[in-house]
Amino acid sequence: AQSVTQPDIHITVSEGASLELRCNYSYGATPYLFWYVQSPGQGLQLLLKYFSGDTLVQGIKGFEAEFKRSQSSFNLRKPSVHWSDAAEYFCAVGAVGSGTYKYIFGTGTRLKVLA
Amino acid sequence: DAGVIQSPRHEVTEMGQEVTLRCKPISGHDYLFWYRQTMMRGLELLIYFNNNVPIDDSGMPEDRFSAKMPNASFSTLKIQPSEPRDSAVYFCASSRDPQREQFFGPGTRLTVL
Repeated sequence: AQSVTQPDIHITVSEGASLELRCNYSYGATPYLFWYVQSPGQGLQLLLKYFSGDTLVQGIKGFEAEFKRSQSSFNLRKPSVHWSDAAEYFCAVGAVGSGTYKYIFGTGTRLKVLA
Repeated sequence: DAGVIQSPRHEVTEMGQEVTLRCKPISGHDYLFWYRQTMMRGLELLIYFNNNVPIDDSGMPEDRFSAKMPNASFSTLKIQPSEPRDSAVYFCASSRDPQREQFFGPGTRLTVL
C-alpha cells in the first residue's frame, strides 16, 4: 500500500541555520511528490512539486527538494532558515492504487525557529 | 482568483445539533476534497468529488457525515447529529487533476460542546 513517512515530528533550528526535513514514500512506481506548508490558523500552501525530470526542484520561499528514487525519499531543504519559516510542513504523494486515485499526506513536521 | 472559499471560518455548536460547512472551489477545478485535521489523527481525507460526483468516501467516519456537491461551484459537508469528537478543523481543497497539487481553503474550525 502507498504510504508517506515523515520521521521527525518536531525540529528546532536557529535562525540562519540550514534545514532538512525528511520524507520517505512507499509506492511501486514514481509518484507525484509535494511539499506543503501550514502556518498557524491557515490552510496548506504548496511549496514545491516533483512530477518528472530534474530531481532537484526549486520552490517558493527559497525551499528546494531532491527526489532520490533509490532511497524513496523527497527531502526538503533550505540553506538559511528565517524566523517566518516556523510552521508545519507536510509531504504528500499523488498516486494511483487499487484502481482509484490516492493523495496521501504525511503526518507533518513542526518546525520551530530560534532567534 | 479568490482561491478556495470556506464558510464559516469558526463554528461553535452543541452536541446533537446539525452542522453544515460550505466550500466554493476554484473555478475550473474538477476535483474537490474534504479533509479533517486534528492533533491526534493529523490530516485525513474524508471524501472527494470529480465533476460533482463523489468518487471515494471511504474516509467519511460514519453515517452522521454526509457531503454533497450540487454544482461545480459549491459543496457542503454536513454532520448530523454532531458530537464533541467531531471537533476539528475541516479543510476543503480543489485541483485540476487528482494526482497534482491541491489548493486549500482557510478551513473551518468546528467546536462541538
